This record gives sequence, C-alpha cells and structure tokens, in this order.
Amino acid sequence: DAGITQSPRHKVTETGTPVTLRCHQTENHRYMYWYRQDPGHGLRLIHYSYGVKDTDKGEVSDGYSVSRSKTEDFLLTLESATSSQTSVYFCAIGWEGFSYEQYFGPGTRLTVT
Amino acid sequence: GQQVMQIPQYQHVQEGEDFTTYCNSSTTLSNIQWYKQRPGGHPVFLIQLVKSGEVKKQKRLTFQFGEAKKNSSLHITATQTTDVGTYFCAGGNYGQNFVFGPGTRLSVLP
Repeated sequence: DAGITQSPRHKVTETGTPVTLRCHQTENHRYMYWYRQDPGHGLRLIHYSYGVKDTDKGEVSDGYSVSRSKTEDFLLTLESATSSQTSVYFCAIGWEGFSYEQYFGPGTRLTVT
Repeated sequence: GQQVMQIPQYQHVQEGEDFTTYCNSSTTLSNIQWYKQRPGGHPVFLIQLVKSGEVKKQKRLTFQFGEAKKNSSLHITATQTTDVGTYFCAGGNYGQNFVFGPGTRLSVLP
C-alpha cells in the first residue's frame, strides 16, 4: 500500500462543532483528494489539490473546506458539522490528475450526533 | 452532470461461478478505472482502460471498454472467496468530471 495515513480513524462529534481531518502522504504525489463514501452513492469527490495551496471543488463541496500548506498534508475541515456529514471519508493521492490511478488511505469514520 | 451507473447493485454467487458487473456512463469517457474494496477496507486500483474496444486481463479478471467509450464491464471467471468485495468503476472526460459509480457488491458462497 502507498504511504498514506489518515487521522483520526474514528471520530464522534456533535452537530455544530468544527472538525478537521488530516491526510498525510510520504509518496510525494502532486495530487491529493478527499472523498466521502455513503451507502448507495459510491465515492463522491469533495475537494482535491493539485499542488501546495492549489485546490479545487468536487461535486459535494458545500460545507467543507480544505487546505494544503505542504506537499505531504491535505486537511479537510467541516466548519460546522451536520448529521448529513456522517460518513466515511477517504483521502487519495495520485501522480497526475484523474487520468491516473489513485491510491486510497484507510479512511476516517465520522459520526455527527 | 455526468452520471455513472453500475449493475447489478448486489450479486451473490456460488464459488466457482462466473461474475460480471456493468458500468454505464451518461457521457463519453476518455478513460475508465476499476477499483476493488474489500469489506471494511479502502478502494484499491485494479486497472485503467483508455482505448475504444480495449480488453485487458488480469488472471481471472477481464476488463472491457465499450466501442462508444460509454460503458465498461468487469468479468471474473470461476470466482473465489477472495473475490468478495465491492467493485467500483470510475470515469472522466479528459480530466474533468471524474465520477465513481455506486459499486457492485459481490458475495461468494463457499
């Protein structure tokens, strides 16, 4: 497996609280992605980054923000968590864009009560 | 926007039987990727197809990209219990609108 870690692996939080998930890679890949996985929806792209401080929105970006200050770290922030954001969040990395394979991290299970 | 559908949603097979999952896009794709996710695990890249009509094989797995580049299939010959998991296709149009299908969950009865 590629050198990708996610933290925390599990989190329970209350509605309205801010939450930050971290993705860390040791592979020096240029692209990093955040997905959420919900039953019946597969993986949906939240945000992605194509370099330090270069990010763009995916198909379900509302309520989420991201930051990438270093090549190896990509942070996903839920400014004010809602129950609809209860999900499993996967980080992925890739050499170059969507025309190349992605390598996924182990995932973070987030529950918003 | 672009939609990617997969059928069937679930498939239960007896070990040794064949299995096929189909992926259909509402738009023409420049490339399609297949991933496998074991229960409780993360998606793992299997293969990418880019040419119209392309067929690739990995041991018992055969992947096909349609002539119109709007559909794809994954066929597993003689399933084994190690094939259990959810198979996702994902496609895009020259780097844009990369979308994952909802997946096909395969269970294999020994």
